[in-house]
Amino acid sequence: NAGVTQTPKFQVLKTGQSMTLQCAQDMNHEYMSWYRQDPGMGLRLIHYSVGAGITDQGEVPNGYNVSRSTTEDFPLRLLSAAPSQTSVYFCASSRNGYYEQYFGPGTRLTVT
Amino acid sequence: EDKVVQSPLSLVVHEGDTVTLNCSYEVTNFRSLLWYKQEKKAPTFLFMLTSSGIEKKSGRLSSILDKKELFSILNITATQTGDSAIYLCAVGGTSYGKLTFGQGTILTVHP
Repeated sequence: NAGVTQTPKFQVLKTGQSMTLQCAQDMNHEYMSWYRQDPGMGLRLIHYSVGAGITDQGEVPNGYNVSRSTTEDFPLRLLSAAPSQTSVYFCASSRNGYYEQYFGPGTRLTVT
Repeated sequence: EDKVVQSPLSLVVHEGDTVTLNCSYEVTNFRSLLWYKQEKKAPTFLFMLTSSGIEKKSGRLSSILDKKELFSILNITATQTGDSAIYLCAVGGTSYGKLTFGQGTILTVHP
């Protein structure tokens, strides 16, 4: 089992560019989520999904889109990157939305 | 809106000390409280506490949940330099699938 995988590990974007952060899991988990982590702010939920075809907004969804066409994949799209989106992004999955989540290794994104 | 507050925000101790990390929460329809340890990478799971499991212990780490006073503590005894990390607390409740995290406690253990 690879667990939760994320690509890329690092990315530098210019303001206004768009990109997709990839996330995949091979544990057949129904629940997947995206967080961003900024210094002193813990993890903040961006979007989450409780199953294929179902997504919902978290605490900080503005500027991000998601879709869940398969159980395995949950990509995060930045529509028009802004310096405020400079952060570390983590994808996570779980068999249950209230229980232990398994985290991917993270993507460090810098927007200049 | 669910809220999780951790204290202290940072803590510096010496090897062998015992530390207590705090997590207080406000959530509608509480379902779970989770503790994670984060070193220089992704968070790793430590404990989950629920209404049916309010105490957990693993080696030098232990945690309790007080559902009446709405807080949890994480204790680490005989600390080691390898315990240096950010400790995160998260609560699940109001909406299925939404875990709310606290700001984290940065623990530094000096030799």
